[in-house]
Amino acid sequence: LAKTTQPISMDSYEGQEVNITCSHNNIATNDYITWYQQFPSQGPRFIIQGYKTKVTNEVASLFIPADRKSSTLSLPRVSLSDTAVYYCLVGSRTGANNLFFGTGTRLTVIP
Amino acid sequence: GAGVSQSPRYKVAKRGQDVALRCDPISGHVSLFWYQQALGQGPEFLTYFQNEAQLDKSGLPSDRFFAERPEGSVSTLKIQRTQQEDSAVYLCASSLAGGGVTDTQYFGPGTRLTVL
Repeated sequence: LAKTTQPISMDSYEGQEVNITCSHNNIATNDYITWYQQFPSQGPRFIIQGYKTKVTNEVASLFIPADRKSSTLSLPRVSLSDTAVYYCLVGSRTGANNLFFGTGTRLTVIP
Repeated sequence: GAGVSQSPRYKVAKRGQDVALRCDPISGHVSLFWYQQALGQGPEFLTYFQNEAQLDKSGLPSDRFFAERPEGSVSTLKIQRTQQEDSAVYLCASSLAGGGVTDTQYFGPGTRLTVL
């Protein structure tokens, strides 16, 4: 599994756009990039997944440059309820069945 | 629809006691996973079932940990002779197909185990 590196923590004010960058220098050709979100006392929840360029859904956008060695999760206009830990994961469709989470980025949204 | 449920939500055990943690996956989901999450850390993989078959148990930390899914739905994680280092949140997840990063895993709320 490709190793990922992301900031341990970030703070943001309500209403701002938040960008969390994840480095995955050893990403393999068949690997996808996936982000999960975890609120306190809950299990992780899938947010978004992509392979290249840009993916957008109702929750977030995921930007992946051409070399795919990093990716950026973008959360538009965050609210207090977006305070959570965000995990960047890299893996292939035919690789290990389990997910490797790392320590994630703890986002705190400030009023 | 109903998500993944786990019981109990909280469990306190004395060192040396046996515990059993239950997971009810989403109906029809083929794959089931158990993860262990220590305080301040991300979840770590314990074991994986596809239907009733336990295909990967490489993450189980010792032979005191045992998991089963006898009918391919409900799963139980059993920890024998609990130790203080077993204190953690135990998360269960299920996915529709055979696993892999592109098969979204749906997590339950976890069981917080505290060993005194």
